Amino acid sequence: GQNIDQPTEMTATEGAIVQINCTYQTSGFNGLFWYQQHAGEAPTFLSYNVLDGLEEKGRFSSFLSRSKGYSYLLLKELQMKDSASYLCAVSDSNYQLIWGAGTKLIIKP
Amino acid sequence: ETGVTQTPRHLVMGMTNKKSLKCEQHLGHNAMYWYKQSAKKPLELMFVYSLEERVENNSVPSRFSPECPNSSHLFLHLHTLQPEDSALYLCASSQAGAEADTQYFGPGTRLTVL
Repeated sequence: GQNIDQPTEMTATEGAIVQINCTYQTSGFNGLFWYQQHAGEAPTFLSYNVLDGLEEKGRFSSFLSRSKGYSYLLLKELQMKDSASYLCAVSDSNYQLIWGAGTKLIIKP
Repeated sequence: ETGVTQTPRHLVMGMTNKKSLKCEQHLGHNAMYWYKQSAKKPLELMFVYSLEERVENNSVPSRFSPECPNSSHLFLHLHTLQPEDSALYLCASSQAGAEADTQYFGPGTRLTVL
């Protein structure tokens, strides 16, 4: 079967750095996505990785290792507005997205 | 502003009612999706329309019926729902065939079935 695993909840302090991990087992791989979803709002696209390595986009970076079936989202200089759920999703051999259950990130002052 | 709109934002209905959810995308995409999002569960793909062809998920009960009259509009018709159907229903669109095929979401309809 296809599976995406990510922690249910994480807590971090404002101004700090946090890393949210995602591991996957899917039939085929056509890229990995990270989305941010604030409570009661739509998921919004953060990043896409299809090749191994680190993609940096401002305070957010995303890393992929295809051989390990592993990705992480790194958030630097945390702000209170970063409190949200972070969803990991993998595009499988049919280009359908397989979703994780999301990681709820709580930022404390 | 994601370019995908959904109405209504909130809906309360009884089990015998019939209602419809509407989605419209202003991004020029050629694929549209319905997802169900329940608390602490992964997004569940319900239906996909790609290049106006429907890809059906066989695990979706027949009380949910999609309609895609054109590439910009998508409906989800609801009838005789059950309380366990209460959830956030999200619509998304993408450009099928693009390298990343990134999906862009609407704000969702929060559905409560009494």
